[in-house]
Amino acid sequence: GEDVEQSLFLSVREGDSSVINCTYTDSSSTYLYWYKQEPGAGLQLLTYIFSNMDMKQDQRLTVLLNKKDKHLSLRIADTQTGDSAIYFCAESINDYKLSFGAGTTVTVRA
Amino acid sequence: GAVVSQHPSWVICKSGTSVKIECRSLDFQATTMFWYRQFPKQSLMLMATSNEGSKATYEQGVEKDKFLINHASLTLSTLTVTSAHPEDSSFYICSAKVGWGLVPLHFGNGTRLTVT
Repeated sequence: GEDVEQSLFLSVREGDSSVINCTYTDSSSTYLYWYKQEPGAGLQLLTYIFSNMDMKQDQRLTVLLNKKDKHLSLRIADTQTGDSAIYFCAESINDYKLSFGAGTTVTVRA
Repeated sequence: GAVVSQHPSWVICKSGTSVKIECRSLDFQATTMFWYRQFPKQSLMLMATSNEGSKATYEQGVEKDKFLINHASLTLSTLTVTSAHPEDSSFYICSAKVGWGLVPLHFGNGTRLTVT
């Protein structure tokens, strides 16, 4: 079952910011992750946030965590065509087992 | 660079044959590796946890006799799909924990299996 939910599609204009949202259910999750998957490829770890943090920034990526609402978001600044991919949100069930969302397909248009 | 290497990237096999997929950790020892399966346009489903030197732990609904996992060394886990059928066609991805304690997983590039 889907314990992690995210919207399926996002279309964004090149140069704009993208915001991908995710909700999760397990309040005991220690880490929350964002992975990127390009067509035919495996998953690339983009960033992760520890559950006692509210925000994490890494170059063009900003992760916001609202623990009260169990809401996680990924913001990509200055979105480029190379950012077109599927983005997966995941929560850790224990220290290694992950539960993934269905993935958000991000399409960057010129 | 890649910390988890998966081979082959894609394979086509005939029904009834067996296929082996390898997952290697590069430059680190992975006592635990994980095998996931991904159906088209769907999320990843954990199939099993591979423990070095012991039997794999399978998730509910995964046939252990169908999907044989061997973790013979600290850097290599293999998944063998036995007597493959077209419904086994899927994208299989392995992952490993890099480091100790609460650290994130890194994934291989996946193997696209097509059974004809």
